[in-house]
Amino acid sequence: AQSVAQPEDQVKVAEGNPLTVKCTYSVSGNPYLFWYVQYPNRGLQFLLKYITGDNLVKGSYGFEAEFNKSQTSFHLKKPSALVSDSALYFCAVRDMNNFNKFYFGSGTKLNVKP
Amino acid sequence: ETGVTQTPRHLVMGMTNKKSLKCEQHLGHNAMYWYKQSAKKPLELMFVYSLEERVENNSVPSRFSPECPNSSHLFLHLHTLQPEDSALYLCASSQTVTGLPYEQYFGPGTRLTVT
Repeated sequence: AQSVAQPEDQVKVAEGNPLTVKCTYSVSGNPYLFWYVQYPNRGLQFLLKYITGDNLVKGSYGFEAEFNKSQTSFHLKKPSALVSDSALYFCAVRDMNNFNKFYFGSGTKLNVKP
Repeated sequence: ETGVTQTPRHLVMGMTNKKSLKCEQHLGHNAMYWYKQSAKKPLELMFVYSLEERVENNSVPSRFSPECPNSSHLFLHLHTLQPEDSALYLCASSQTVTGLPYEQYFGPGTRLTVT
């Protein structure tokens, strides 16, 4: 079965510090992986995706994610956090056996303190 | 933000009511999705429409009935719901699901409360 896991319900960082939001996946074959962000009272917004190629993927708002096949991870990173980055972050994987399906993690709340 | 719109944004309904949620996408996509979002749980995929044909029904109870009259509009008809159906219902759209990893674009959601 395809799945993703976000082991941390919440991540707290100080503004200006680097941030990491963790995601691990379980798929058969090569994964298509995504990160989305959800601000309060808003829908999910696409940040970035990994399909193939370079393991470091750059996305919107200065975010990037590192694909690590041996550790089956796709962690979201940003070198310098902003207070405005505070939101709920979701990792997702596309089902390689059924392209109609996406599997989302339970979300990680990022809290960036001034 | 205006690419996918959902109405109403908030809905309170009794267990015997019938109501409908509406979603409209202005992105030229031809696949549309309904998700249920409950606190601290993964998003639950409910239905998928591709080219106006339902291609996925993820074991959703029959009290939820989707309708996709064209590629820009998606409805979720609700009847005799239960309190545990209270959640945020999200609509999304993407390019057609033919294997290429297109990302999804989400609406702001409808916050549903069943009393």
